[in-house]
Amino acid sequence: EVQLVESGGGLVQPGGSQRLSCEASGFIFSAYAMSWVRQVPGKGLEWVADISGSGGSTHYADSVEGRFTISRDNSKNTLYLQMNSLTAEDTAAYYCVKFPRITVSRDAFDVWGQGTLVAIS
Amino acid sequence: DIQMTQSPSSLSASVGDRVTITCRTSQTIATYLNWYQQKPGKAPHLLIYAASTLQSGVPSRFSGSGSGTDFTLTISSLQPEDFATYYCQQSYSPPRTFGQGTRLEIK
Repeated sequence: EVQLVESGGGLVQPGGSQRLSCEASGFIFSAYAMSWVRQVPGKGLEWVADISGSGGSTHYADSVEGRFTISRDNSKNTLYLQMNSLTAEDTAAYYCVKFPRITVSRDAFDVWGQGTLVAIS
Repeated sequence: DIQMTQSPSSLSASVGDRVTITCRTSQTIATYLNWYQQKPGKAPHLLIYAASTLQSGVPSRFSGSGSGTDFTLTISSLQPEDFATYYCQQSYSPPRTFGQGTRLEIK
């Protein structure tokens, strides 16, 4: 079974940092691009960042560019999101999501994790 | 950025009803339009991709159509488990933007 399990959420002070992790199982992790999507509680969805299967290509939303870093360790089947200079506007549930191919493409997000909540206060 | 406009923002319907949700984009996106379902306290999951292709395991009462800038999600006969929030998303050009969601409630 394909599964994505996020961790690392919690309460963080404004200006602080946090690293989220997403452990993947049930598929060949290195063969798929991955992404982070966030959702303010009770609100809509916002794409945050994505990374190719090799890790060599990354893209960011303007709202997090320069503050967040997406990375992956294919030997550990784990995706990361390093978040720095956090503000109240970053409070959200963060979802780890999978693309259906190795490159970031025009495909849909075909698998989602259960999410981890980050609260900045 | 491509703006996404879903309508209606909320909808009340009964089991067995046929329901249609609309998504309009600010620029043409061919058929790079996806639909997701989200139930309270759960993650979204993919229903339809490329405007009209049903994701594996999704019941056939769900269907999608459209191209260019206008798209629809139709549920042919609502079931109790279909009451949820639905989001459209464009994957034509970054940033991948989502509609604001349509909350489908039981009448």
